Amino acid sequence: ILNVEQSPQSLHVQEGDSTNFTCSFPSSNFYALHWYRWETAKSPEALFVMTLNGDEKKKGRISATLNTKEGYSYLYIKGSQPEDSATYLCAWYSSNTGKLIFGQGTTLQVKP
Amino acid sequence: DAGVTQSPTHLIKTRGQHVTLRCSPISGHKSVSWYQQVLGQGPQFIFQYYEKEERGRGNFPDRFSARQFPNYSSELNVNALLLGDSALYLCASLSVEPGYGYTFGSGTRLTVV
Repeated sequence: ILNVEQSPQSLHVQEGDSTNFTCSFPSSNFYALHWYRWETAKSPEALFVMTLNGDEKKKGRISATLNTKEGYSYLYIKGSQPEDSATYLCAWYSSNTGKLIFGQGTTLQVKP
Repeated sequence: DAGVTQSPTHLIKTRGQHVTLRCSPISGHKSVSWYQQVLGQGPQFIFQYYEKEERGRGNFPDRFSARQFPNYSSELNVNALLLGDSALYLCASLSVEPGYGYTFGSGTRLTVV
């Protein structure tokens, strides 16, 4: 069974706090790791697609790192804002199955 | 440019009935994937189609089937509906350009009663 695990399951922070989430995935047959933000009543929106070990990507206050050898990725949000409230999904793309397998997501609530 | 469009947005069906969900990908995208999302879980892979051919299938029973048309739109069919099929069904449009994530539609909320 190929599992993608995310932690924590949910997170409540105050506006201005920085936070980070973890995504664990199988280290074998790695092709890519995706991060998505899913706001209530909207579609999941792609944040990052990461392919290289050691990769770091940044979009505004959000950044992500990738370790393919040990099978984990971190997503960081600096100075959380209420508009960052959403479910953050990671997904592992396997080279031998060609499938994008999602974790269960981390739901972030940022209180003003 | 229109995004990924799915129809209908909501649907209520009775156990044992059949349902067809529709998806139109972004113009120029030739690959479509279908996902089922149940509350509290991440999206579960159902099917992937590329150039009208099935390229992958998830662990779903044969009651689930799909197809892709020459214009790259796609249908997901579910026969003999069960209560457990109640979920949000997401369609994703895939670019052939490397480094781009999937573009998702807003989904179809299926309720089986």
